Amino acid sequence: RKEVEQDPGPFNVPEGATVAFNCTYSNSASQSFFWYRQDCRKEPKLLMSVYSSGNEDGRFTAQLNRASQYISLLIRDSKLSDSATYLCVVNAAGAGSYQLTFGKGTKLSVIP
Amino acid sequence: NAGVTQTPKFRVLKTGQSMTLLCAQDMNHEYMYWYRQDPGMGLRLIHYSVGEGTTAKGEVPDGYNVSRLKKQNFLLGLESAAPSQTSVYFCASSFPLAQPYNEQFFGPGTRLTVL
Repeated sequence: RKEVEQDPGPFNVPEGATVAFNCTYSNSASQSFFWYRQDCRKEPKLLMSVYSSGNEDGRFTAQLNRASQYISLLIRDSKLSDSATYLCVVNAAGAGSYQLTFGKGTKLSVIP
Repeated sequence: NAGVTQTPKFRVLKTGQSMTLLCAQDMNHEYMYWYRQDPGMGLRLIHYSVGEGTTAKGEVPDGYNVSRLKKQNFLLGLESAAPSQTSVYFCASSFPLAQPYNEQFFGPGTRLTVL
């Protein structure tokens, strides 16, 4: 099983739609979870951290399910500017807390 | 406050040539990282450093060397470039990752082609 697994997409959604991405991770010792956003030919940037109780930042909601070892990202009222690749990122503390493991990303295209 | 900068932005090498990629950060971060990103592979950690004068191997260290002589700089060297090292290289930095939810800040990347 891959360490961090995401559906590569692409997800093509109309403006205003709600879209959800899931990510599964294999190391149950993982302690920190993130969603990064990467625009085409740009560097990854932190979108949001994922807290155990779930957290929301405007139109974005992240959830963590430790029992099932998956993380989700929900985007409401999609904007054209949300088009990007979304990277699920996990810190596997058991493997050395310095290292983050990145998923391959899920590509989102928001269509006018 | 420039954040994380990388030089050069683009480079084309011939097989067997050597080069050094420079990463600099002005955020006083302790930790620095080098990643490579290939299509369909995601970001993979090459080497990292948890402080000045220290380096450690990541997931894909073969063919690369690094040095961290100053806290703000992290150098990635390719001694004898191979076509398999054609990739986009990202440098990142952070405060100690042991603190939960510490963000890694990335540089703009270096696009390297080895012919």
